[in-house]
Amino acid sequence: QVQLQESGPGLVKPSETLSLTCAVSGDSINNYYWSWIRQPPGKTLEWIGFVHHSGSTNYSPSLKSRVTISMDRSKNQFSLRLTSVTAADTAMYYCARVASSTLWYFALWGRGTLVTVSS
Amino acid sequence: EVVMTQSPATLSVSPGERATLSCRASQNINYNLAWYQHKRGQAPRLLMSGVSARATGVPARFSGSGSGTEFTLTIDSLQSEDSAVYYCQQYDKWPPLTFGGGTKVEIK
Repeated sequence: QVQLQESGPGLVKPSETLSLTCAVSGDSINNYYWSWIRQPPGKTLEWIGFVHHSGSTNYSPSLKSRVTISMDRSKNQFSLRLTSVTAADTAMYYCARVASSTLWYFALWGRGTLVTVSS
Repeated sequence: EVVMTQSPATLSVSPGERATLSCRASQNINYNLAWYQHKRGQAPRLLMSGVSARATGVPARFSGSGSGTEFTLTIDSLQSEDSAVYYCQQYDKWPPLTFGGGTKVEIK
């Protein structure tokens, strides 16, 4: 059974960098594209971007200047880095597996981790 | 950016009744629409892709229809465990991939 587990600091100070990791168990991360999605309190889901083991990435235009998604194949995990955070980046952050290289919906999700941006 | 609009925001349905959820796209997205079910504290769950293809393990009482810009998720014979927030997502024109605002289904 494939499982995704997000981890990282629950509190980040404004202007600092948010860093999260998604550990994948039950499957190799080499087999799919992997994505980050977030949901601010009271708002809908927002796609952040995805990564592939080939090195290919794609980011939401609204976050592109601040986001890096990378992969650690030795640990079978992938990571999110979001720089210069503000209160608007407070959200539940989910990692997810993309269905395929031609079908860009999310077949499997993690439970999410709450990140609060506050001093 | 394709804007996805879901209605109603909240739907209150009696057990055994039918729930009809709507999702509208601001542009033609063909059949590239997925539906998710999200229960509080759990991982969101894929219900449907390609408008009407149920994901593995999804009961047959869930069905999807539509094309272009208008889509519907129908839950027949609603059960208590169907209480959740339902989101649609388009994957036709991106970046960005976009989601609707969600419909909360409550059991009367």
